[in-house]
Amino acid sequence: DVKVTQSSRYLVKRTGEKVFLECVQDMDHENMFWYRQDPGLGLRLIYFSYDVKMKEKGDIPEGYSVSREKKERFSLILESASTNQTSMYLCASRPPELPYEQYFGPGTRLTVT
Amino acid sequence: ILNVEQSPQSLHVQEGDSTNFTCSFPSSNFYALHWYRWETAKSPEALFVMTLNGDEKKKGRISATLNTKEGYSYLYIKGSQPEDSATYLCTARLAGGTSYGKLTFGQGTILTVHP
Repeated sequence: DVKVTQSSRYLVKRTGEKVFLECVQDMDHENMFWYRQDPGLGLRLIYFSYDVKMKEKGDIPEGYSVSREKKERFSLILESASTNQTSMYLCASRPPELPYEQYFGPGTRLTVT
Repeated sequence: ILNVEQSPQSLHVQEGDSTNFTCSFPSSNFYALHWYRWETAKSPEALFVMTLNGDEKKKGRISATLNTKEGYSYLYIKGSQPEDSATYLCTARLAGGTSYGKLTFGQGTILTVHP
């Protein structure tokens, strides 16, 4: 079974803190993705990575950065957390031989106070 | 940005009722459509991937149809059960986009099945 894990299920941080959200997949997938989900807006792509050290901006990259030093790990970084970054964050990975399906982690609910 | 719309946003049904909801997308340059089910405290789980006009897919009591010419997909649940309660996500890809599997998601339909 493909497994995508995220470092925390719930996280509470203060405004201005640097926040790291970690995602690890165990199936050697090249492609990994970070989304956020907000009520009424669906899942929106923040960043994705198609290889180690490679990254592309998604639809809402502002206020975020990412790091992919190893194939299995994709980190989302909030350099200076703000209250409008309170959201559910989902990581996903995609195997190269299936062009369509993504496998998701369980999500991290981040609250910035 | 590809616009994918789902309706309704939320739905409450009684156990045993059959229900359906809609995903609409631009019909030009269509490549593939996915349905996911996202239960509380779990990871979104892929239900169907559909690519051809007229596609019909079925998984137990859940089925889906696809009309690429008019740009919509229906998801049907027959005889809803409380364990069907979840958010149902629709997502589409256009041809010619990045090959990295970038998907555009609808807002989701939150289904609650009452015992």
